[in-house]
Amino acid sequence: DAEITQSPRHKITETGRQVTLACHQTWNHNNMFWYRQDLGHGLRLIHYSYGVHDTNKGEVSDGYSVSRSNTEDLPLTLESAASSQTSVYFCASSARLVEQFFGPGTRLTVL
Amino acid sequence: DAKTTQPTSMDCAEGRAANLPCNHSTISGNEYVYWYRQIHSQGPQYIIHGLKNNETNEMASLIITEDRKSSTLILPHATLRDTAVYYCIVRVSAYNQGGKLIFGQGTELSVKP
Repeated sequence: DAEITQSPRHKITETGRQVTLACHQTWNHNNMFWYRQDLGHGLRLIHYSYGVHDTNKGEVSDGYSVSRSNTEDLPLTLESAASSQTSVYFCASSARLVEQFFGPGTRLTVL
Repeated sequence: DAKTTQPTSMDCAEGRAANLPCNHSTISGNEYVYWYRQIHSQGPQYIIHGLKNNETNEMASLIITEDRKSSTLILPHATLRDTAVYYCIVRVSAYNQGGKLIFGQGTELSVKP
């Protein structure tokens, strides 16, 4: 069955380190999204992509970057991790920008 | 995208219908109403969406008032597995709008035995 996966599921890192969170989908969806979820803020959009080599900034993109070299993957990179980036990160994909399918999430702790 | 207002929490007895309200008084004519839910520690899950007609699928029904200023999500026979946070989202469903979902705080539905 087609699916969307995220790895790692849990990550602990130190302030200043570079961290990459992986997102992989097997639906062949063109559209992919990264969100973060924090208590009191709900889910907020970080970056999104409409297709290969396309990337766009969301509402909380500072300190994050993405690249899209193929249809299946949209890795999220924290260039220099900060404690404020401790959060749960969700990746999503969609075919027609209507229904988004979400991954299981990655819990990131920055010490 | 229009702002939505939902109650913070609601309870429902197992087997009864759960009616979750959402106010979106500033909705524009080309904006759709979407409902997602998030079961604890999982990613959000799409439930249903609509523009102005009532919609039904295998999970739920969506009732939109005639003036489109409010809507109600109905889970006809709630089960314990329906305990989750339910998000009502209003947005334009157009490619050039980015497909972005703006999540509010949602309604925490507790289904009790």
